[in-house]
Parts: sequence; C-alpha cells; structure tokens
Amino acid sequence: AQSVTQLGSHVSVSEGALVLLRCNYSSSVPPYLFWYVQYPNQGLQLLLKYTTGATLVKGINGFEAEFKKSETSFHLTKPSAHMSDAAEYFCVVNYGGSQGNLIFGKGTKLSVKP
Amino acid sequence: DTGVSQNPRHKITKRGQNVTFRCDPISEHNRLYWYRQTLGQGPEFLTYFQNEAQLEKSRLLSDRFSAERPKGSFSTLEIQRTEQGDSAMYLCASSLEFGGPGNQPQHFGDGTRLSIL
Repeated sequence: AQSVTQLGSHVSVSEGALVLLRCNYSSSVPPYLFWYVQYPNQGLQLLLKYTTGATLVKGINGFEAEFKKSETSFHLTKPSAHMSDAAEYFCVVNYGGSQGNLIFGKGTKLSVKP
Repeated sequence: DTGVSQNPRHKITKRGQNVTFRCDPISEHNRLYWYRQTLGQGPEFLTYFQNEAQLEKSRLLSDRFSAERPKGSFSTLEIQRTEQGDSAMYLCASSLEFGGPGNQPQHFGDGTRLSIL
C-alpha cells in the first residue's frame, strides 16, 4: 500500500537552530509531494510542494525541502528556527490518478525552545 | 479569495443524534474533499467531488456517513446515528484541477470539531 512515513512524532529545537523534519514515501514512482503545517485548532496551510522540475523547493516562512528520488525522501528544513514555527507538520503525497486524494503522514510536532 | 469556510466550528451532540456539517470552498475551485482527523493523527481521506459529481466515496467510514454537493458549490457531510468514535475534527479542502493528476495543492478550511457525549 502507498504510504508516507515521518520519522519522529515530536522534534524539539532551540530558537535559531536548524530544523530538520524527515519524510520518506513508499513508491518507486515519484508522487507529488507536499508539506503542510497545522497550528492548534486550525486547518492545514501549504508550506511547499514538489511536482516536477527542480528538486530543491522553497516554501513560505523560510522552509525548503529537497526531493531525493534515490532515497525516496522529501525532508523539510529551515536554517534557523523561530518561536512561531512551533506547530505540527505533515508530509503529504499524492500519487495522482483518478482518486486525487492526499495521503498524510502521521505528523511531526515541532517545539521551539527559547 | 476568502478561503475555505466550514460551519459550525464546533458541534457537541449526544450519541445517536444526526449531525450535518457545511463546507463552502474557494469559489472557482471545482474539486472538494472531506477528511477526518483524530487526535495525534494526520487527516484521513473520506470522499471527494468534482463539481457536483462524487467521484470517490468508498473511503467513507460507514453507511452512516454521506456527503452531497448538489450544485457544485458548497457541500454537506452528514453523520447519522452518531457514535462515540465519530468524535474528531472534520476537514474540508478544495482545489482547482483541469483534469490533471492531482498535483494542485488543496486549500483547507479550519475544520469542524465534533464531540459526542
């Protein structure tokens, strides 16, 4: 079954430190890849997406992600964490086709310490 | 662009009652999706519409769940005879697709949180 795995349900970093949230997908056929962020009691906001083209994708709020086909990975990074980055982050895949539905990872909750 | 709107934001009801949630997508979006999110989990796909046609409904959790999008604009999700396990956040999303393979991002509403007493 197609799936997406996020390593670490909870990541804690200090303010100003590097943020690295890991994501691996299961298919040898590259899907469309997204990262979404969810703040408490809110819906999800798109951070960035990869469909085709350049494998390093830049998103909002200083986040970026790199698609690595050989590793079936799409890790999310930010060079310097800010307190406002504390939220839950979801790696999401869409394998296309008629369903059109997104497959979500279980999420990684990011905490930022002052 | 006013975003995806969901109502109500919170719904508390007794077990066995029926509930209905409404979703108003971004106006020019032709696809509308429903998801369920339980505590500590990512959203789980339920169903989706392209315009007024419901193209996928096999993921609806049981026959107590149904969704409509009668005029291709807003949608409703109904749960009949609610159970304790139905307590969750119900999210709606919309996107604009031109028959492509789903590479357009989905825009999410803030969800309806359902609590069953």
